[in-house]
Amino acid sequence: RKEVEQDPGPFNVPEGATVAFNCTYSNSASQSFFWYRQDCRKEPKLLMSVYSSGNEDGRFTAQLNRASQYISLLIRDSKLSDSATYLCVVNPNSGYALNFGKGTSLLVTP
Amino acid sequence: ETGVTQSPTHLIKTRGQQVTLRCSSQSGHNTVSWYQQALGQGPQFIFQYYREEENGRGNFPPRFSGLQFPNYSSELNVNALELDDSALYLCASSFPGYEQYFGPGTRLTVT
Repeated sequence: RKEVEQDPGPFNVPEGATVAFNCTYSNSASQSFFWYRQDCRKEPKLLMSVYSSGNEDGRFTAQLNRASQYISLLIRDSKLSDSATYLCVVNPNSGYALNFGKGTSLLVTP
Repeated sequence: ETGVTQSPTHLIKTRGQQVTLRCSSQSGHNTVSWYQQALGQGPQFIFQYYREEENGRGNFPPRFSGLQFPNYSSELNVNALELDDSALYLCASSFPGYEQYFGPGTRLTVT
């Protein structure tokens, strides 16, 4: 079983739609959690960290459920510029390796 | 921009050859991590260097090796290249326990 699993998509949604991505992780002792965004043929960039209490950054909301080992990302009012691959990332030990999921591809269409 | 640079941008090698990829970390960052991203996959951790010492290694064979220099820049060396080594190689710099900042990557093609 892979350490971080995501639905690869693709998710094709119209502008203005709300879209949700899910991710599960296998290591219950994992310390920290993130969503990264990766544009085509570019490097991953940190979108947001994920906390147990849930956190929001503008149109983006991230949730963590430690009991279910489940992470989610909600994007509201999708923009064309949100088209990218979204990577779920788990850090089992602070300062150590990042474990990436395969990524979920999002295409927002006019 | 993150301030992390990698060279070269693209590289084409033949199976069996050796390759060296380079990474300059963001100013002040003393930790460099290397990742391999095959097409359609997420990045996979190769190893991490902290203050010139290997600080952890993923599931990669010994023909993947690295160095970190006193200025915290780093090299990734791959010997006896195989076709499956074709990938985007990413380095990330950080302070231990803090956000990792990725460079633009080196795209390696092995023919």
